[in-house]
Amino acid sequence: DTEVTQTPKHLVMGMTNKKSLKCEQHMGHRAMYWYKQKAKKPPELMFVYSYEKLSINESVPSRFSPECPNSSLLNLHLHALQPEDSALYLCASSQGIQFLTGELFFGEGSRLTVL
Amino acid sequence: DQQVKQNSPSLSVQEGRISILNCDYTNSMFDYFLWYKKYPAEGPTFLISISSIKDKNEDGRFTVFLNKSAKHLSLHIVPSQPGDSAVYFCAATFSNSGYALNFGKGTSLLVTP
Repeated sequence: DTEVTQTPKHLVMGMTNKKSLKCEQHMGHRAMYWYKQKAKKPPELMFVYSYEKLSINESVPSRFSPECPNSSLLNLHLHALQPEDSALYLCASSQGIQFLTGELFFGEGSRLTVL
Repeated sequence: DQQVKQNSPSLSVQEGRISILNCDYTNSMFDYFLWYKKYPAEGPTFLISISSIKDKNEDGRFTVFLNKSAKHLSLHIVPSQPGDSAVYFCAATFSNSGYALNFGKGTSLLVTP
C-alpha cells in the first residue's frame, strides 16, 4: 500500500463553518505534512509532524489547526476561514523528515472552497 | 521570493523525441533536488531525485542533470510518451531538513502522438 488517502476530495464551506480535512497513510511513515496549493502556484508547506509531534508550523494562521491523533492519521481543522483560503490542500508523508531516507508521497488533495 | 524557478510554463514535444525540462535555483545551500509529476486531480508523484554530490542520476527513461555552478538542473525524458503529459514540478531542499521543499511553479508537458 503506497497510498496517502485524503477526505473529502471537495469541500465547500462558509466563513463561519467548522470543518476538518482528513489524511491517512498505512506505509509506516513517521512524518506527515500539510501543503497548500493555489491555482498556478507551487505547493507551499504549512505543517510538518514528525513522530506525531508538530515539528514545523510555517507561520500558518490559527484558523488552521492541525492534529495528528496517531502515526497513520493527520487532520486539518478549519474554522472561520476566509475566501482567500480556497485552495487545494495536499497531505504528504515520508519515512522520516530526512530526505535521504525516502521521498514524499502525496495524496490527491482536498479542494476547498470558502464562500 | 521564488527560490526555485521553472521559466517555461509549458512544453510540447512529439512522441519518441526528447523532452527537456529546466529548473534554476537561487539558494546555493540547497543540496538535494527532486522532480515531481502531477496529473490533473491527483497529488504530485515523486519521479527522481539527485544529491548535490552527483551531477547526473538516471532511472529508466528519466535522467536528471545538475550543474551546481550554474545553479541549474534539468530533467530529460527519452523517449517521450503520451502518458508523460503532465505538470512537472522541480523542488529543492536541504538534506538535513528535507521537509522544507521549495517547489518551482511547474512546467506543463504535452507529448503529442
